[in-house]
Amino acid sequence: GDSVTQMEGPVTLSEEAFLTINCTYTATGYPSLFWYVQYPGEGLQLLLKATKADDKGSNKGFEATYRKETTSFHLEKGSVQVSDSAVYFCALTSNTNAGKSTFGDGTTLTVKP
Amino acid sequence: DTAVSQTPKYLVTQMGNDKSIKCEQNLGHDTMYWYKQDSKKFLKIMFSYNNKELIINETVPNRFSPKSPDKAHLNLHINSLELGDSAVYFCASSQDSVARRGDTQYFGPGTRLTVL
Repeated sequence: GDSVTQMEGPVTLSEEAFLTINCTYTATGYPSLFWYVQYPGEGLQLLLKATKADDKGSNKGFEATYRKETTSFHLEKGSVQVSDSAVYFCALTSNTNAGKSTFGDGTTLTVKP
Repeated sequence: DTAVSQTPKYLVTQMGNDKSIKCEQNLGHDTMYWYKQDSKKFLKIMFSYNNKELIINETVPNRFSPKSPDKAHLNLHINSLELGDSAVYFCASSQDSVARRGDTQYFGPGTRLTVL
């Protein structure tokens, strides 16, 4: 079945540091890939997505590139802010699994001033 | 306007009780979902409905019964609550049929259920 493996947390960074959260996947068919972010006390919201190989999703300074050859979708940001502190989820939706989404276990990011 | 809303936001109840959580979306979406998030933030899909029809039914105890009176609403009823049901339950919706694998899911704010 489909699976998503993301970097274990928690991750603690200083403000303006570079962020990478690794995400790799296993899926049949041609999945779409997503990063969702969950701020404290809130529901998940879409951060960025990519629907085909080599697509780059970007939003709010975050980027991730759909790499089919390495089955990866790593999240990066060049300079994190305290307001980026949240839980980040990598997810995929496969067209061969009734459209069911599979989420990674989440990575908690804390950014300190 | 709130896109996906859930009520109640907090629910504290005794073991053995029956409770319901309501979800409404005003986005005009065809597909709605229920997810369970445990204390370690692990997110697991429970159910999915497309135009009021059940399309995903994961391995969930039959004490959990979803009901979709129309495509804008998806409620979750839980019978005989157990301690292990304590979690945050999220409702979500997406625009089109499940064949559109690139659809974004829009999540509600969550309902924190505590079973004592």
